[in-house]
Amino acid sequence: DQQVKQNSPSLSVQEGRISILNCDYTNSMFDYFLWYKKYPAEGPTFLISISSIKDKNEDGRFTVFLNKSAKHLSLHIVPSQPGDSAVYFCAASFQGGSEKLVFGKGTKLTVNP
Amino acid sequence: GAGVSQTPSNKVTEKGKYVELRCDPISGHTALYWYRQSLGQGPEFLIYFQGTGAADDSGLPNDRFFAVRPEGSVSTLKIQRTERGDSAMYLCASSLLTSGGEQFFGPGTRLTVL
Repeated sequence: DQQVKQNSPSLSVQEGRISILNCDYTNSMFDYFLWYKKYPAEGPTFLISISSIKDKNEDGRFTVFLNKSAKHLSLHIVPSQPGDSAVYFCAASFQGGSEKLVFGKGTKLTVNP
Repeated sequence: GAGVSQTPSNKVTEKGKYVELRCDPISGHTALYWYRQSLGQGPEFLIYFQGTGAADDSGLPNDRFFAVRPEGSVSTLKIQRTERGDSAMYLCASSLLTSGGEQFFGPGTRLTVL
């Protein structure tokens, strides 16, 4: 069973607009959530994370929101840039991120100039 | 500094052969993780080392898969009697094992079993 779900395989947005990537999880024991970005032929690169004790974390153009009651998190990218085009993976972990990561299937983001 | 490195970048082998995949973590990182990513899927956990010992090997699919980290740094993932279904990207990551410590991934080894 898929414990971390990214239901949108792809998303296309215009440069300068907001990109919103969504992620749902089923295991309420997850206490740490991360977003990774992956370009072709490269390993995933860490983007931003959030602990379950918070509901928002912001880093420059990237903001992650966590809704624990809905078991839902989202990544907002504002403004979107063509270089943001990549596959974005949502991941969840136990023990504050020190243990294994459970990944979603990813969402391919395309930012059009 | 240098990131996580993995060798080889590509490995093509025949069904039934033995393969070894190597991971060099970031210097000083105590935790090392192996994941496997199939086409259209996210990375799936295989095994996690804390120092030299395997802290969690619950993701290894069967006893054909084995991993070691004898000196607490470099790790080798070993696959015996390879099958076509083992074809995937094998990713290695390392971290400092502090609370909230992000995992840094290498570029992966693309394994193809013919």
